[in-house]
Amino acid sequence: SAVISQKPSRDICQRGTSLTIQCQVDSQVTMMFWYRQQPGQSLTLIATANQGSEATYESGFVIDKFPISRPNLTFSTLTVSNMSPEDSSIYLCSAVEGGDQPQHFGDGTRLSIL
Amino acid sequence: LAKTTQPISMDSYEGQEVNITCSHNNIATNDYITWYQQFPSQGPRFIIQGYKTKVTNEVASLFIPADRKSSTLSLPRVSLSDTAVYYCLVGDVLTGGGNKLTFGTGTQLKVEL
Repeated sequence: SAVISQKPSRDICQRGTSLTIQCQVDSQVTMMFWYRQQPGQSLTLIATANQGSEATYESGFVIDKFPISRPNLTFSTLTVSNMSPEDSSIYLCSAVEGGDQPQHFGDGTRLSIL
Repeated sequence: LAKTTQPISMDSYEGQEVNITCSHNNIATNDYITWYQQFPSQGPRFIIQGYKTKVTNEVASLFIPADRKSSTLSLPRVSLSDTAVYYCLVGDVLTGGGNKLTFGTGTQLKVEL
């Protein structure tokens, strides 16, 4: 199965700043997704990262706040913009190799906003 | 929007079989059911996936009744290292989002000696 690496693994940021999280997959994948997981809670889908086109956002998430890029079949970035303490969370990237294969996840980026 | 629910927690002892059920009444025709294990400070790790009936691999079995409105993850002979949170995921990755990828509420499994 695909191996997914995220950078950074954790960060502490000041409110009002932005942070870009990188997701690198060791093989070409068809689908990539970004999730948020608040402490002690389940995962919530933020968006589908589409290769070569704009991401598809879920209800409650907007492009201005969470811009996403996916320039090729192995890489994606998620930016958390104009951060506030409410954005403190774990952000996870996942990828699907194709067909009816399951998603595989990175270990996440733990983000704290002061 | 699919609502996917699980028991909040379960306790077991080493060597026992554990069955964790997930309820997904609004499952769609194209949706698969996938189970993940998550340890603290790690991402979810894939356990097993199925569409209907029974699926078995080297670590678990997945039972899905004919109406597909629930599923049961079965872990044979658990050990202390199986202490983790277990999530079911219902959805179709090929059609991606649109509220079509819904994680369950998660079940904290605690295994004791």
